[in-house]
Amino acid sequence: SQQGEEDPQALSIQEGENATMNCSYKTSINNLQWYRQNSGRGLVHLILIRSNEREKHSGRLRVTLDTSKKSSSLLITASRAADTASYFCATDSYSGGGADGLTFGKGTHLIIQP
Amino acid sequence: ETGVTQTPRHLVMGMTNKKSLKCEQHLGHNAMYWYKQSAKKPLELMFVYSLEERVENNSVPSRFSPECPNSSHLFLHLHTLQPEDSALYLCASSQQTGLTYNEQFFGPGTRLTVL
Repeated sequence: SQQGEEDPQALSIQEGENATMNCSYKTSINNLQWYRQNSGRGLVHLILIRSNEREKHSGRLRVTLDTSKKSSSLLITASRAADTASYFCATDSYSGGGADGLTFGKGTHLIIQP
Repeated sequence: ETGVTQTPRHLVMGMTNKKSLKCEQHLGHNAMYWYKQSAKKPLELMFVYSLEERVENNSVPSRFSPECPNSSHLFLHLHTLQPEDSALYLCASSQQTGLTYNEQFFGPGTRLTVL
């Protein structure tokens, strides 16, 4: 069953603006990760936030995690055309079987208009 | 590059063919994965190999058969596929600590078309 669900499904903004994407999930997690995928290529890991962390920064990226609401957000500041891609959240929701792996959402497609 | 390579990058096959996808990781990781990415669907985990042992995934049809001869190489053997199996197949690796899934490093994928 789908664990992470990103919102919005698509987002189009002007270069220089900030982009915010949200992710909701259903079960308890060990960590939540964000990935980027350029069209038709492999995913690139952006940032990992553990269940006991609330906020994390990496360059122009800021991730928050609210375990009480089972949600996370990814903020990209001062967006650039090169940020155009699909962004996925993935949860590590180990349930005792050890076979869950990461569960990915459908992604948010971000378009940065020059 | 990410340190994970996949070959071939593109593959077209008929439903009666047998082919194999290859993945190699140069990162010294102890876990490798196969994912299927279809249009408008979430990325689906197909198989996990941790310390070269496969974690069973009963939801994947038997026409997909994985093989992990060592910690650096992973294969996906394909036979008698269906057109709905057309998708981007992604390989990934990670350094797994205990039962926690850490950041994964993905290959560029194999775009598979089944005619």
